[in-house]
Amino acid sequence: AQSVTQLGSHVSVSEGALVLLRCNYSSSVPPYLFWYVQYPNQGLQLLLKYTSAATLVKGINGFEAEFKKSETSFHLTKPSAHMSDAAEYFCAVSPYSGGGADGLTFGKGTHLIIQP
Amino acid sequence: NAGVTQTPKFQVLKTGQSMTLQCAQDMNHNSMYWYRQDPGMGLRLIYYSASEGTTDKGEVPNGYNVSRLNKREFSLRLESAAPSQTSVYFCASSRRDSPLHFGNGTRLTVT
Repeated sequence: AQSVTQLGSHVSVSEGALVLLRCNYSSSVPPYLFWYVQYPNQGLQLLLKYTSAATLVKGINGFEAEFKKSETSFHLTKPSAHMSDAAEYFCAVSPYSGGGADGLTFGKGTHLIIQP
Repeated sequence: NAGVTQTPKFQVLKTGQSMTLQCAQDMNHNSMYWYRQDPGMGLRLIYYSASEGTTDKGEVPNGYNVSRLNKREFSLRLESAAPSQTSVYFCASSRRDSPLHFGNGTRLTVT
């Protein structure tokens, strides 16, 4: 069994400030972890994924996430927020490296608001 | 390269009506999925198809049926729509050991 908890349904930061979106997971097997982003009226796009090769994972658009097994966390960060980062962010877990064959288990999402 | 294409983009149904949501992918992926997205609930898996000819229930399958017509197409059918099925529906596909690719969604309202 696996689950994901995203802390904070809404996070607001100022443009240029640090972005920190929190994700904690529960998994009975070594997990594969993902962050997806959803822009308004669009589908989800993969930001980055953890597949055990390295605990610090770099993704697109300047985002990165660090896998911490002792804390069962996979928090997403970006040093300096940009207005274009405003979106919904989803953390997801799977026992498979690609997230298939029976799909991903998603968190409930965090809406990132960027203040000018 | 179109990726994952969903039709229609928007739909309004009355309670009890039926409809089929269509999904097609052109990436030669083996696995396909249907999710629903509701405010505060994230994405929940309705059905998935690990390969052509197979389908399996996900977390919230009640009230839905699916058909994996061929490798490219995976449809979702609502036989008798209910207001609780008002949602945004996403189709996704993947190759083994590769991340999911999502369509842009179908926004369904049941009145």
